[in-house]
Amino acid sequence: GENVEQHPSTLSVQEGDSAVIKCTYSDSASNYFPWYKQELGKRPQLIIDIRSNVGEKKDQRIAVTLNKTAKHFSLHITETQPEDSAVYFCAASSRGGSARQLTFGSGTQLTVLP
Amino acid sequence: DGGITQSPKYLFRKEGQNVTLSCEQNLNHDAMYWYRQDPGQGLRLIYYSQIVNDFQKGDIAEGYSVSREKKESFPLTVTSAQKNPTAFYLCASSYNPREETQYFGPGTRLLVL
Repeated sequence: GENVEQHPSTLSVQEGDSAVIKCTYSDSASNYFPWYKQELGKRPQLIIDIRSNVGEKKDQRIAVTLNKTAKHFSLHITETQPEDSAVYFCAASSRGGSARQLTFGSGTQLTVLP
Repeated sequence: DGGITQSPKYLFRKEGQNVTLSCEQNLNHDAMYWYRQDPGQGLRLIYYSQIVNDFQKGDIAEGYSVSREKKESFPLTVTSAQKNPTAFYLCASSYNPREETQYFGPGTRLLVL
């Protein structure tokens, strides 16, 4: 099955700096890669996703890049703000039977220091 | 994701007791999922359902059971066979099984007395 590894597990940046979180996946058939943000005690919220037919996608201060050959994808947050502090999860979608399943990374605790 | 609700927010289980976590959605989604989240770890799939009266085991189904009698509802029972049930349980849904985007409920935190 799919295996997703995520690094780093914790990341601290100064407000205004950029943050980068990296994930690798094992199943070359995976073709959908979402990123979720989870604040303490809350539900994960989808913040951006990318499909394997594109290499990069941006949404304001957030961008995701995908390298299918190397089987890794990254989340980039620019001009970080204190409200960006949360746990971020990457995931990869593989097919289990006839249904798509998401396999999640172990998460990155991002702390933005004022 | 505001259309997915879970109850209760906190649940306490005694030794040997079965408990049931509720998940309801009004998004008209066909597919529903249950995940377990432990501290410092990602989400692990327990069970999923593609359609009413159908469900499949995920990666960590042992000690859990589900039913899908209605499209809107996908309750999860944590049985006494689950020896380490303390975790944060998240329900999710997607428009159909081939639609990868999943939306999550607010979660239930299960604690053992």
